[in-house]
Amino acid sequence: GAVVSQHPSRVICKSGTSVKIECRSLDFQATTMFWYRQFPKKSLMLMATSNEGSKATYEQGVEKDKFLINHASLTLSTLTVTSAHPEDSSFYICSARPGGEFQPQHFGDGTRLSIL
Amino acid sequence: GQNIDQPTEMTATEGAIVQINCTYQTSGFNGLFWYQQHAGEAPTFLSYNVLDGLEEKGRFSSFLSRSKGYSYLLLKELQMKDSASYLCAVMDSNYQLIWGAGTKLIIKP
Repeated sequence: GAVVSQHPSRVICKSGTSVKIECRSLDFQATTMFWYRQFPKKSLMLMATSNEGSKATYEQGVEKDKFLINHASLTLSTLTVTSAHPEDSSFYICSARPGGEFQPQHFGDGTRLSIL
Repeated sequence: GQNIDQPTEMTATEGAIVQINCTYQTSGFNGLFWYQQHAGEAPTFLSYNVLDGLEEKGRFSSFLSRSKGYSYLLLKELQMKDSASYLCAVMDSNYQLIWGAGTKLIIKP
């Protein structure tokens, strides 16, 4: 149980392109989903907390106009990297909780984004 | 500030036992999580401790001492597939997860 699907797994695109990443909880409902970014050999960096039916809460230093988050249903959250540039290249990972705060987060497989 | 400390890298031998320590200073405490992350993959949940003591789950055990701000992950009968990074994360009083930088565990034959 508690399976999270993230798509696509890898994206290579030109600078200036917008890229959408989907995160789905397959066998549970998730009122809260999380978006992380991870640089090589570094720990996870929380970008934003996505709440179903309301605006996402962004961490300090994360541009909300650059990283658009939509949590339209209890099983789907999307992250759109708008007008991506090479410095946006990274490993993006989503997670979801099947219940309240004391439940572990379950992670999608991640999306490796490469901007040329 | 909030801080999670764990060793950057550890090396152990196949079949042996290894203990990965994690110390934390956070604003409040609502539990500590351990995750395993293989290179290039997303983290997978291993354990959750909110009360003092040892939680055993197969070859993996996790210990917590809240008074000392300390936890460890114990891996027994090490296998090559256990080579991965192990992330310690603490949930603070705002229910935010504070992540450690991870411990890269290298298993040698």
